Amino acid sequence: DIQMTQSPSTLSVSVGDRVTITCRASQSISGWLAWYQQKPGKAPNLLISKTSDLENGVPSRFSGSGSGTEFTLTISSLQPDDFATYYCQQYYSFSHGLTFGGGTKVEIK
Amino acid sequence: QLPLQASGPGLLKPSETLSLTCTVSGGSISTSDYYWAWIRQPPGKELEWIGDISYSGTAYYNPSLKSRVAISIDTFNNQFSLRLTSVTATDAAVYYCTRRRFYRGHSDWGQGTPVTVSS
Repeated sequence: DIQMTQSPSTLSVSVGDRVTITCRASQSISGWLAWYQQKPGKAPNLLISKTSDLENGVPSRFSGSGSGTEFTLTISSLQPDDFATYYCQQYYSFSHGLTFGGGTKVEIK
Repeated sequence: QLPLQASGPGLLKPSETLSLTCTVSGGSISTSDYYWAWIRQPPGKELEWIGDISYSGTAYYNPSLKSRVAISIDTFNNQFSLRLTSVTATDAAVYYCTRRRFYRGHSDWGQGTPVTVSS
């Protein structure tokens, strides 16, 4: 299996802050990485595919970057609607499983 | 967003078999560009990928669940299903059915079906 390690596990921030979440893979995943936002009691919402491709309708304050084994989700200016838990997922190879990171909860400072 | 609706028993006893069906509406399940998937989330924990299936019936499974899981597809009824045998308390979770375009993440999700395992 490919292990995905997300950090930090919790982030206490204020509206307007720049937020950076990191996801590290246990081996190279060739950029096959997605990011999701999940709010309590709801299904996750896909934000980004293929490291940096923003899904339709996702605000441009969200961006993704990275390569090899290290990837980043950035929220340029946190809005009230962005308080949620964020997950990364690698989908490099079925033989290794499509694994999720442990999640990063973005909470109000 | 493509509507996905999962259904099935919400309460199981240990050692029983979990069977869930996801009905796809508003679009055909027989599209070659997508995988149909199951993902679960235990209470307060992270997401866990269970498996994907293509419209042709080729299925791929989480290696840690492979010995107990089967995903099938019914193109006539526009449904796909999950079967998980020998459940234990660790299988208690919200189970989501999803759609994933090739080379992308899971873009469409059902509302989630809670499953409890208790004797």
